Amino acid sequence: NAGVTQTPKFQVLKTGQSMTLQCAQDMNHNSMYWYRQDPGMGLRLIYYSASEGTTDKGEVPNGYNVSRLNKREFSLRLESAAPSQTSVYFCASSSLLGGSGLGQFFGPGTRLTVL
Amino acid sequence: DQQVKQNSPSLSVQEGRISILNCDYTNSMFDYFLWYKKYPAEGPTFLISISSIKDKNEDGRFTVFLNKSAKHLSLHIVPSQPGDSAVYFCAASGVSGGGADGLTFGKGTHLIIQP
Repeated sequence: NAGVTQTPKFQVLKTGQSMTLQCAQDMNHNSMYWYRQDPGMGLRLIYYSASEGTTDKGEVPNGYNVSRLNKREFSLRLESAAPSQTSVYFCASSSLLGGSGLGQFFGPGTRLTVL
Repeated sequence: DQQVKQNSPSLSVQEGRISILNCDYTNSMFDYFLWYKKYPAEGPTFLISISSIKDKNEDGRFTVFLNKSAKHLSLHIVPSQPGDSAVYFCAASGVSGGGADGLTFGKGTHLIIQP
């Protein structure tokens, strides 16, 4: 099992450019998440998808859109990148927390720089 | 308004000794707490969790203690090993259905194990 995979690993954008971060999981999890981590900060939730076909805003959704393409894949789109979106982006997935107690499984991250 | 607080940005401990990492929370609706470990350039990995109905959970060298009245939890690592050097994040789930709405993270504590 690959777990949670993210592409690309690194990306440099110019202000105003758009891009899509891809995420896939092979653990048959229902829920998927996008977080961002900034220096000296914890991870902050951008969007999540509790199940296929649903998406909801997290703590910091402005400037982002998401698509839950199917049960495996959850993408994050920046329509018009801004320097404030320079960050490391993590995708995660989980089964229901109460059932497994294992929390969420994270991908390796995408390091995005917006110039 | 930080709902999960890790007040020690870093902690240095001698190899073989006990490491104690602390975490405080403000939201009484949290009812599941987790610790994640993160190495540079990798995603966080789940370490140990505790439900609010318990006050202690143990897994090998790792023990998490929860004091609900004080809204405080701690992670004990005994004995500390060089491979434990990493950033540790405390996280909490406001479980309405089992964590499907994402986790709230603290800012992390950088644990350094000295030989």
